[in-house]
Formats: sequence, structure tokens, C-alpha cells
Amino acid sequence: AQTVTQSQPEMSVQEAETVTLSCTYDTSENNYYLFWYKQPPSRQMILVIRQEAYKQQNATENRFSVNFQKAAKSFSLKISDSQLGDTAMYFCAFMKQTGAGTYKYIFGTGTRLKVLA
Amino acid sequence: ETGVTQSPTHLIKTRGQQVTLRCSSQSGHNTVSWYQQALGQGPQFIFQYYREEENGRGNFPPRFSGLQFPNYSSELNVNALELDDSALYLCASSLPSGKGNTQYFGPGTRLTVL
Repeated sequence: AQTVTQSQPEMSVQEAETVTLSCTYDTSENNYYLFWYKQPPSRQMILVIRQEAYKQQNATENRFSVNFQKAAKSFSLKISDSQLGDTAMYFCAFMKQTGAGTYKYIFGTGTRLKVLA
Repeated sequence: ETGVTQSPTHLIKTRGQQVTLRCSSQSGHNTVSWYQQALGQGPQFIFQYYREEENGRGNFPPRFSGLQFPNYSSELNVNALELDDSALYLCASSLPSGKGNTQYFGPGTRLTVL
């Protein structure tokens, strides 16, 4: 069974600094996707960044980038130039396709990030 | 905004009652998943519907059931509510194929069972 582990329950970073959130996962699959989702306080969960396992190149999305180490089953999120609006709960998620049009998502327990002014 | 809506926003029920939560997906998204998110935890997969049929279930008992309709809306029904059912319930829709089958989440319904 797949598992996703986020070992940092809480983190803080000064505004404009860089922070890295850790995520490890366990799977025997070769084809899968990894995601980072952001859930601001009392607001909707939104996608931050996505990585296809078959791609060696790390995904980037503006200030957000990942360090994907497939052999080590590690998928960390780096936030550069942190902004107050980045304060949120961040979830790492693993996804694989289970059939036509159906998928299985497994989420980690989350890392609460606070950006300090 | 993700284009996924849920109703109601908040709900208070008592133990033993039944509840129906609703979700309206983005047009064209015929895969919908439901999650239970306890306070301070990550979402736990309840089940998934594709083309109006349940296709995948997590470790939840049969008193959790659902429906998906042709108009991209769906329901989560929970019978015989227990105190531990208190949580945020999220629905997420996605296209059946495409860029990593990204899920788009609704804002959730916060259910409190007294």
C-alpha cells in the first residue's frame, strides 16, 4: 500500500526567505503523479505544483519548485521569496490511475507553514 | 476559485441522524471523489465516482454512500451519524484524462455531530 509522509508538522519562514517542505512516499508503482496542494486557513484547497514520475526534470511554477528524487522516493517543495499569502497548510499527495477515468489519491498529514512579516 | 461548489457550508446534526452533502463539479469533470478531513489531518479518501458509478472506496463503512448525476453534481450520504464523523468533507472533481488528472477541490462542508 502506498503511504505519504510529511515529517514537519509546522514550519515558519521570514518573508522573502526560502523554505523547503519535505515529503517522502512509499510505492512499488513506476507510473504515478505527485502533487503539492495548499489549503489556506478556512479557504479552498488549491493545486500548487504537479510532477509526473516519468519526468526527470523537476517541476517549477513561479516561486514554487520541487526536488523530485524518484529512487529515494522523495518529493520536497521549495518556496522562494516567501510571501505572507503563502501561509497555509501544505499537503503532499500521491496519485496513480486505477482504471478508466479513476484514480487513487493518498495525502500526507500536512505541514503548517507560517510566513512571518 | 476552482469552479467546484459544495453545500451546505456548515451543518450540525445529532448522533444517529442521516445527512446529505452536495457537490457541483466543473462542467466536463465526470470523475468526482469525496474526502473526509479531520481537524489538523490530511484528507482521507472515502470513494470515487466515474460516469455515475462508484469506482473505488477507501476504508469507510457502507453507511457512507454516494450518488453522481449526469449534470456533474454529486451527493455524499451518511447514515447513523457517529460523533467521529465530525469533520470537513471535501469533494474534488477531475477530467477522466489530461494533465495528471489534477483534482479541483470544493470549499468543503463542515459537519458537526453532537
